[in-house]
Amino acid sequence: RKEVEQDPGPFNVPEGATVAFNCTYSNSASQSFFWYRQDCRKEPKLLMSVYSSGNEDGRFTAQLNRASQYISLLIRDSKLSDSATYLCVVTYSGTYKYIFGTGTRLKVLA
Amino acid sequence: GAVVSQHPSWVICKSGTSVKIECRSLDFQATTMFWYRQFPKQSLMLMATSNEGSKATYEQGVEKDKFLINHASLTLSTLTVTSAHPEDSSFYICSASVKQGWGSNQPQHFGDGTRLSIL
Repeated sequence: RKEVEQDPGPFNVPEGATVAFNCTYSNSASQSFFWYRQDCRKEPKLLMSVYSSGNEDGRFTAQLNRASQYISLLIRDSKLSDSATYLCVVTYSGTYKYIFGTGTRLKVLA
Repeated sequence: GAVVSQHPSWVICKSGTSVKIECRSLDFQATTMFWYRQFPKQSLMLMATSNEGSKATYEQGVEKDKFLINHASLTLSTLTVTSAHPEDSSFYICSASVKQGWGSNQPQHFGDGTRLSIL
């Protein structure tokens, strides 16, 4: 089993839709969690950190469920510009080890 | 804040050439930098972790003599692809982070990437 798993997609959704992705992690010692987006042929860009209490940034909401060992990303009112690959990242306490998921591809359709 | 600059952004050169890629943290001190490689439509693959003032830690299967990493200061790490061949053609991306206290990691911030094409 991979340390960090994501559904590769693609998720094809119409503009204005709400879409959610999950990312599961296998190591309960995981400490910090992040969501990145990566556009085709570009570097990953930090979208948001994921806090234990959950956090929201505009149309984006991130949640952490430690009991079930997954993080989620919810995108409301999808825009065409949201089309990208979304990567989850998990880090471990006391190390510099960052584990990337393989990414979930989102296509927002007009 | 947290800007990482990578240079060059695109390199095309002949087989056998050595190519040096620079990664700089512009507005923060990066205790750790990471070097990744990504082939088309594939995931990021961590090549090595670079710590300032010490030897880099290479991932399994990555040749340390082929991919030379130097992290001489808190703001600069370099990756040199020695005697590059066509199979080394890829998208190379660096990232940097600062550790905040014990057990709490800051996110990685990525450079723009270097597209390397070996003819």
